Amino acid sequence: DTGVSQDPRHKITKRGQNVTFRCDPISEHNRLYWYRQTLGQGPEFLTYFQNEAQLEKSRLLSDRFSAERPKGSFSTLEIQRTEQGDSAMYLCASSPDRGNTEAFFGQGTRLTVV
Amino acid sequence: GNSVTQMEGPVTLSEEAFLTINCTYTATGYPSLFWYVQYPGEGLQLLLKATKADDKGSNKGFEATYRKETTSFHLEKGSVQVSDSAVYFCALSPYNFNKFYFGSGTKLNVKP
Repeated sequence: DTGVSQDPRHKITKRGQNVTFRCDPISEHNRLYWYRQTLGQGPEFLTYFQNEAQLEKSRLLSDRFSAERPKGSFSTLEIQRTEQGDSAMYLCASSPDRGNTEAFFGQGTRLTVV
Repeated sequence: GNSVTQMEGPVTLSEEAFLTINCTYTATGYPSLFWYVQYPGEGLQLLLKATKADDKGSNKGFEATYRKETTSFHLEKGSVQVSDSAVYFCALSPYNFNKFYFGSGTKLNVKP
């Protein structure tokens, strides 16, 4: 297993365009998380999946953001009508469905909105 | 609520110096505590963790002890190396493990 994989690694888009990111978690990890990290800050929680169910969404996740995890495997994060303030590193993480364990992070997708 | 506060950086040390990065937390219930490290150009990696009070996490010469009475989880290393230069994040996860809360990160620069 090669760990959590995210695609693309970098994305430059024009303001107003839609973008979609993909995350492939470690196989058999039931929990999947999306975080956003801006320069000089720690990761901020966006949303959490337990298998295919989206169980929690942060208030940071406006109506322009949507995340899915069909079949409980890979996940996608879509941002519609991007704004310059959406520029950040989007991190995906996964963890197994048992207690007291850490999250394993991917290398992230860096989004730049111009 | 849940939150993590860690000392601001950057922290600049000479090789073989002693390192302390302070981390305090507020939490509901009994969280697990973590230190993650982010090397330049790489993703977040778990450095160490502690799941209950008085537990000591350790890895690669780094240590941190879960202090419930002071709500702290300070990171220490007796002798830093240039290769330890990175950004260090303190984090907590509540008892139900539905999310992780991160501090703002502390950048460590180690000079030869």
